[in-house]
Amino acid sequence: GNSVTQMEGPVTLSEEAFLTINCTYTATGYPSLFWYVQYPGEGLQLLLKATKADDKGSNKGFEATYRKETTSFHLEKGSVQVSDSAVYFCALSSNNAGNMLTFGGGTRLMVKP
Amino acid sequence: DGGITQSPKYLFRKEGQNVTLSCEQNLNHDAMYWYRQDPGQGLRLIYYSQIVNDFQKGDIAEGYSVSREKKESFPLTVTSAQKNPTAFYLCASSLTSYEQFFGPGTRLTVL
Repeated sequence: GNSVTQMEGPVTLSEEAFLTINCTYTATGYPSLFWYVQYPGEGLQLLLKATKADDKGSNKGFEATYRKETTSFHLEKGSVQVSDSAVYFCALSSNNAGNMLTFGGGTRLMVKP
Repeated sequence: DGGITQSPKYLFRKEGQNVTLSCEQNLNHDAMYWYRQDPGQGLRLIYYSQIVNDFQKGDIAEGYSVSREKKESFPLTVTSAQKNPTAFYLCASSLTSYEQFFGPGTRLTVL
C-alpha cells in the first residue's frame, strides 16, 4: 500500500534560517504529491503540489521537487519567518488508491524571533 | 466566496450521546471526506463519498455514520459506539483531480 514518511518534529529554527523538512514516499503507479500546512486550531491548507516527476511546486517562498529516483518530496524555504510556525503535512494521492490522500504524520515547525 | 464550512467549531457531548457534525461546500465538488486528527498525530480517514447517495468506509469507520443526500452536504454522526470520540474532525472535498480542500474543523470533546 501507499505510505508517506516525514521527519519527526518539532523543528525549531531562528527567523531567517533555512528550512528543510524531509518527506519520502512509497506508492504504486504515478502519485501526485502535496504539502499541506495547518496553523493552530485550523484546518489544512494546500501549500504546494507536484503531479509528475521533476515537477517543482512552489508557493509563498516554499519549494519542493518531485524526485522519483529517490521517492522524495522535501519541503524547503530559504528564509523562514515567525509566521511560518505551523504543522506541515506531506501527502500523496494515486489512481491506485481511488484518489485517496495518504498523509505523513506531520512535522511541527517553530520559528523563534 | 466558495469554500467549505464546518459547524460548530467546538462541540461538547456527554458520554452515551450521539452528535452530528455539519460539513457544507459550495465548490461544486463531487467527492467529500471526513478525517479524524488526534493531538500530535496525522489524519485518519473515517468515511468518504465520491457521488451523491453513495459513501465508503475509510480506515476508522467504526462508531461513525454518514449520509450524502445532497452534493453540497456530508454530515458525520459520532455515535455512542465510538469509544474515544474526543478529537479534531476535518471535512474535505475535491473534484476528480487529486487536490483536496479542507474545512476549518470541529473540535469535539466528550465530557
